[in-house]
Amino acid sequence: KAGVTQTPRYLIKTRGQQVTLSCSPISGHRSVSWYQQTPGQGLQFLFEYFSETQRNKGNFPGRFSGRQFSNSRSEMNVSTLELGDSALYLCASSLVTSGLQETQYFGPGTRLLVL
Amino acid sequence: QKEVEQDPGPLSVPEGAIVSLNCTYSNSAFQYFMWYRQYSRKGPELLMYTYSSGNKEDGRFTAQVDKSSKYISLFIRDSQPSDSATYLCAMTGANSKLTFGKGITLSVRP
Repeated sequence: KAGVTQTPRYLIKTRGQQVTLSCSPISGHRSVSWYQQTPGQGLQFLFEYFSETQRNKGNFPGRFSGRQFSNSRSEMNVSTLELGDSALYLCASSLVTSGLQETQYFGPGTRLLVL
Repeated sequence: QKEVEQDPGPLSVPEGAIVSLNCTYSNSAFQYFMWYRQYSRKGPELLMYTYSSGNKEDGRFTAQVDKSSKYISLFIRDSQPSDSATYLCAMTGANSKLTFGKGITLSVRP
């Protein structure tokens, strides 16, 4: 079974621009979560989508947004980029069934550099 | 106080050593505990997952959870150079939001 895929893998943008990152979850997984990883803050939760609805949200400004499509693929968008947005953006997918918390499987990430 | 604190490292050990990695947490709502391994320029890979206090073993890896002390550990026996990576503890409550430790970089010297 193919893993989580993220595109693009690397991206260079300038301050003030916007960027869209894409994530395709593992086949059959309906939940997609996004995380930001930086050397200073580590891995921080951005948001989670399930059945095209945002289910959880982290403490990030409104410049960070996302959406999920009917095939469970997800995109996240960052508008008005700042230097501090330079990070590795990770997507994780999981099955969602009733009962125990489902394991999240991570993609390789998109490395964003803002100049 | 951060919700999850992880020993900062880095950590360097000789091949064959037993490695102990630790995290403490403050949020009593955390019920599920995970250890992820992340190689350079890769996404985190799930190593261990547990939701109860006690020990869980998988090959050379043992995860330990002490909910009364809010403390989790990962032990690696007979460490190998291929174990050199960053190890992240993660935990969550009833929702899907994972809260991570900052990670510790482990280097196993041949």
